[in-house]
Amino acid sequence: DSGVTQTPKHLITATGQRVTLRCSPRSGDLSVYWYQQSLDQGLQFLIQYYNGEERAKGNILERFSAQQFPDLHSELNLSSLELGDSALYFCASSEAGGTEAFFGQGTRLTVV
Amino acid sequence: GQQVMQIPQYQHVQEGEDFTTYCNSSTTLSNIQWYKQRPGGHPVFLIQLVKSGEVKKQKRLTFQFGEAKKNSSLHITATQTTDVGTYFCAVMYSGGGADGLTFGKGTHLIIQP
Repeated sequence: DSGVTQTPKHLITATGQRVTLRCSPRSGDLSVYWYQQSLDQGLQFLIQYYNGEERAKGNILERFSAQQFPDLHSELNLSSLELGDSALYFCASSEAGGTEAFFGQGTRLTVV
Repeated sequence: GQQVMQIPQYQHVQEGEDFTTYCNSSTTLSNIQWYKQRPGGHPVFLIQLVKSGEVKKQKRLTFQFGEAKKNSSLHITATQTTDVGTYFCAVMYSGGGADGLTFGKGTHLIIQP
């Protein structure tokens, strides 16, 4: 158990819909990262938050957004969903100045 | 951002054989990390290499960072069924406060008993 909690584990939704994925980082970790894993693209870094503020952006689509709340949990919002958004979405956290990223179990999103 | 090429994409071995996966970059890397993802699981951190020519061992796993810091390898001696999974190299880039990881495509290790 990495200590990072993601909900839900599975999500099935229709094209055009909007979903929210939730992540609780390890206790004390200030950094939260979101990654997308698909068969063709591999593990792609989407976005990082540090202590409530956006710190880095990767290959995140404009239809996607995220935020980190004062209690440090984070949410990834995916809107106007397309079939190609079907993937595993991982959240990871790390301590301030840390190098090791601890991954959650992931949310498997299926868009039908 | 920095990118790493990882080969091979798939590797079939007989149990007991050795396994090696390689990561290469066209630019000098400040560091490289290795992760393992079991089937149906999530990536788990294995190690980070920082120094030129660094070699680190974890039981049957040997990690190397090239002298020019442009390549790295993970070698597993005498594979066991518990080694099954996908091995990823990853580079943490830091710049302007950014700390995201760029992952290689991964090497899927398949072990035949």
